[in-house]
Amino acid sequence: EIVLTQSPATLSLSPGERATLSCRTSQTVGNSLAWYQKKPGQAPRLLIYDASYRATGIPARFSGSGSGTDFTLTISSLEPADFAVYYCQQRTNWPPFNFGQGTKLEIK
Amino acid sequence: QLQLQESGPGRVKPLQTLSLTCSVSGGSINSAGYYWTWIRQQPGTGLEWIGCIYYSGTTYYNPSLESRVTISLDTSNNQFSLKLSSVTAADTAVYYCATGPYYDLDWGQGTLVTVSS
Repeated sequence: EIVLTQSPATLSLSPGERATLSCRTSQTVGNSLAWYQKKPGQAPRLLIYDASYRATGIPARFSGSGSGTDFTLTISSLEPADFAVYYCQQRTNWPPFNFGQGTKLEIK
Repeated sequence: QLQLQESGPGRVKPLQTLSLTCSVSGGSINSAGYYWTWIRQQPGTGLEWIGCIYYSGTTYYNPSLESRVTISLDTSNNQFSLKLSSVTAADTAVYYCATGPYYDLDWGQGTLVTVSS
């Protein structure tokens, strides 16, 4: 089973700043990795798939990079609506399609 | 874009079977290449992938839950379902259904299921 480790657990930033979130997998997943945004009381929202492709309707300030075992989600300039929990998920070696434990992006 | 809606009891007694249904609108559950997935979030924790069923009917389960989980398609009603047997308090969670051609693009709003006597 592939384990996904996200860092940091919590990231405290101000609106307008750049956010960099990391996801590391215990085995290579190629580029089969997704990023989701989760807000309280809402369903997760797919942001990035195949490591670097934005899902439909996702603003250009969200970008993904990486392959193999190391992945990054970058938010270029934080807006108030971006403060949430972010999860990565691998979609290659399954079952299960494991999620990382999440990174909480909070307002500083 | 597909619309998904979970339904089922909000409370289940310990050792009973949790049963949820996900109703799909805006498209057919027979859509070629689609995965129909259940995911949950226990209180204060992250997301846990429960399992999925491919449009062809092939199922894939999380090994940690496999002995208790059944996911099935109901094509006549355009819905799919989750059954989780022998539940305990640890199964208390918000349960989400989701779908996509590979990644989970469309999601239901989630339904809270509490395991309690």
